[in-house]
Amino acid sequence: GENVEQHPSTLSVQEGDSAVIKCTYSDSASNYFPWYKQELGKRPQLIIDIRSNVGEKKDQRIAVTLNKTAKHFSLHITETQPEDSAVYFCAASIKHTDKLIFGTGTRLQVFP
Amino acid sequence: NAGVTQTPKFQVLKTGQSMTLQCAQDMNHEYMSWYRQDPGMGLRLIHYSVGAGITDQGEVPNGYNVSRSTTEDFPLRLLSAAPSQTSVYFCASSTGSSGNTIYFGEGSWLTVV
Repeated sequence: GENVEQHPSTLSVQEGDSAVIKCTYSDSASNYFPWYKQELGKRPQLIIDIRSNVGEKKDQRIAVTLNKTAKHFSLHITETQPEDSAVYFCAASIKHTDKLIFGTGTRLQVFP
Repeated sequence: NAGVTQTPKFQVLKTGQSMTLQCAQDMNHEYMSWYRQDPGMGLRLIHYSVGAGITDQGEVPNGYNVSRSTTEDFPLRLLSAAPSQTSVYFCASSTGSSGNTIYFGEGSWLTVV
């Protein structure tokens, strides 16, 4: 079945450093790749997404890149701040639907 | 506009009991779904619906039933609760066109003892 792998499972960085989280997916028909941020005890919140016809997208300190040939996509956070500390999930759509397969999450800790 | 509303927020059940998690959205979204979240396993799709009267199974449907009698509501039923169903449950909705933002409810924390 469809699968999304996410690495690393935990990531610790110093405030101001960059953080990179990587995901790979198995379904070549996936065309939508969102990233969610989840704070402790809260719901997942969409922070950025990318569609299969785009290779890169930026929103202030956050960027996502997509390599469809390799079935890889990555989240890049620059100039990290303590409030970026959370669990981040990548996801990929199942074929051309709104069904999402999620990665297992990355716990990001940003130390002051 | 309340978005996606789930109730209850917390529930403790005994093994074998049944219960229904309620989910409602006021955004006129066609697509609704239920996920469960367990430590280290991300979110896994239980059931989903692409419109009133239409439901289908996700990755982990066993032990759960759903129905979609209206566009707004998508309840999740546990027929005979088991400790393995202890989890956090999230309802979600979207417009139903591939690639549109999926909105999550606040979550329901369920413990089965």
